[in-house]
Amino acid sequence: DGGITQSPKYLFRKEGQNVTLSCEQNLNHDAMYWYRQDPGQGLRLIYYSQIVNDFQKGDIAEGYSVSREKKESFPLTVTSAQKNPTAFYLCASRLGTEAFFGQGTRLTVV
Amino acid sequence: QQPVQSPQAVILREGEDAVINCSSSKALYSVHWYRQKHGEAPVFLMILLKGGEQKGHEKISASFNEKKQQSSLYLTASQLSYSGTYFCGTERPNTGNQFYFGTGTSLTVIP
Repeated sequence: DGGITQSPKYLFRKEGQNVTLSCEQNLNHDAMYWYRQDPGQGLRLIYYSQIVNDFQKGDIAEGYSVSREKKESFPLTVTSAQKNPTAFYLCASRLGTEAFFGQGTRLTVV
Repeated sequence: QQPVQSPQAVILREGEDAVINCSSSKALYSVHWYRQKHGEAPVFLMILLKGGEQKGHEKISASFNEKKQQSSLYLTASQLSYSGTYFCGTERPNTGNQFYFGTGTSLTVIP
């Protein structure tokens, strides 16, 4: 079945550590996105990529980094510079009108 | 800037109707509606592209006003399965594929 896979589902990180969230899709979509979801704030765009080896900052890119070396993969690194990283992170891909989402990764800083 | 959704949260009894609004200070290129059940991925409901457009999907329909600055999602005769958080989404003009969402509306249907 085609879809988007995010891993892990739950992730705990110590303060000061970088952590990478995985996002893989087999839908052959060019565009991929990372969103952060906090209660009462909806989905906020972190980074997006329209094509391999290209990506653009979204509204809240500070403290995050991404790469797009393969069409299928768009990993997100949450760096120690992100002051409030505890959140639910959603990856999506899009071809045409509809966006498809992964099941999300819940990151908690301990 | 994110489109603003209202209300932020609503509780309904089964069979009641609800309206969720999505408003922007600038004209939107398009409006997409998604529903996210608790702990799950958002799922696409429908898209509206033209000012004045109305579209229906079973008992859930949506409209896009003529100025393309507001869209409303209508849920009629609500069912327990309608519970979740609803998001409107849109493309940011002249950014290629930048796709962003509104602030979200939590809808809870109770027996």
